[in-house]
Amino acid sequence: SQTIHQWPATLVQPVGSPLSLECTVEGTSNPNLYWYRQAAGRGLQLLFYSVGIGQISSEVPQNLSASRPQDRQFILSSKKLLLSDSGFYLCAWATAGLLSGYTFGSGTRLTVV
Amino acid sequence: AQSVTQLGSHVSVSEGALVLLRCNYSSSVPPYLFWYVQYPNQGLQLLLKYTTGATLVKGINGFEAEFKKSETSFHLTKPSAHMSDAAEYFCAVSEIGDDKIIFGKGTRLHILP
Repeated sequence: SQTIHQWPATLVQPVGSPLSLECTVEGTSNPNLYWYRQAAGRGLQLLFYSVGIGQISSEVPQNLSASRPQDRQFILSSKKLLLSDSGFYLCAWATAGLLSGYTFGSGTRLTVV
Repeated sequence: AQSVTQLGSHVSVSEGALVLLRCNYSSSVPPYLFWYVQYPNQGLQLLLKYTTGATLVKGINGFEAEFKKSETSFHLTKPSAHMSDAAEYFCAVSEIGDDKIIFGKGTRLHILP
């Protein structure tokens, strides 16, 4: 069966520090991968998605970047965090065509102080 | 472009009462429709989905939803609310050939004892 791993679960980082969140999927090949952010009262915001290795689509201009160095690995990064980067970050995967919808990871709560 | 509107950011029902969460969508082609549930500090979990076929779909935890093309609606219902149903619910839509799912802003369901 397929599983998705996302870590860390919680993270407190100072303003200006770098960020690296990792997401990996097991039990499937060539998944579509997604990074979402939930900020209080703002719903789900799609940040990046990838349909293949090295292919990254950015949905909103911001202080973050994403990379997909391996088929089932998706990384969210920042060189210098801002207070506004605080939020709940969710990784998700799906098969091409989205017939089964997304499967989400358990999320990372990021607090920038 | 497709979009999703969830009516009511907060809904309160008494334990044992009918749960009705409203969702309307906009799509230029036959859509795929989803309902997800999110408990505090967790990822989203798929409740049910409509892709093709029977318009009344049953999901986990006793929830069901009906796709009504003429009304562009996909409302979520449960005959009898339980305290454990308290969570945030997201309606979502995608179209055949899409790479991503569009989410509504969510409805927080409160269960009154």
